[in-house]
Amino acid sequence: QVQLQESGPGLVKPSETLSLTCSVSGGSISPDYWSWIRQAPGKGLEWIGYISYTGTSNYNPSLQGRVTISVDTSKNSLSLKLSAVTAADTAVYYCARESSDGMDVWGQGTTVTVSS
Amino acid sequence: DSQMTQSPSTLSASVGDRVSITCRASETISTWLAWYQQKPGKAPKLLIYRASSLQSGVPSRFSGSGSGTEFTLTISSLQPDDFATYYCQQYNSYPYTFGQGTKLEIK
Repeated sequence: QVQLQESGPGLVKPSETLSLTCSVSGGSISPDYWSWIRQAPGKGLEWIGYISYTGTSNYNPSLQGRVTISVDTSKNSLSLKLSAVTAADTAVYYCARESSDGMDVWGQGTTVTVSS
Repeated sequence: DSQMTQSPSTLSASVGDRVSITCRASETISTWLAWYQQKPGKAPKLLIYRASSLQSGVPSRFSGSGSGTEFTLTISSLQPDDFATYYCQQYNSYPYTFGQGTKLEIK
């Protein structure tokens, strides 16, 4: 079955760019849609954005244009870049497979702390 | 944005109880609603999609209902493994939005 694994630096400095990768195993990245979701410490879930295997994307306006999600079909992975980070971006970041049947497969999540 | 409001925020119940959690959308979302269960330190797990369809492998004591703006997640007979936080999520329109969560605690 499809499994997702997030990876990337656990510590990012304020004003820098957070970069994460989600590796897809047990299946192909196409023809599905993929989302990034985050959860600040002790808080609820926030949808960041999605990308299709063709590269079509949509982002949460609350992130004010700081987000870029891309897909690499050759590596069967997707990536998240969030620029100009602040302490408010400290969170667990998840990738998930998205469909008309909800987000049915999730990665285990990766914790990112923004601190100098 | 479609705002999702869950109630209650916290629910205390005992093993064997029947419990319900409500989720209200700020605008109609048809049946494009999912329910997730999350345990501490773990990723959310999909329970219900399209408001009332049970995800494969999820026990039948979980059920969902509703359409439009009001939705309900019901657990017919609480089991020890069910004590967790539950989130609703609309996927009718972007940006997708989640409810604030309902923490189900042992009484």
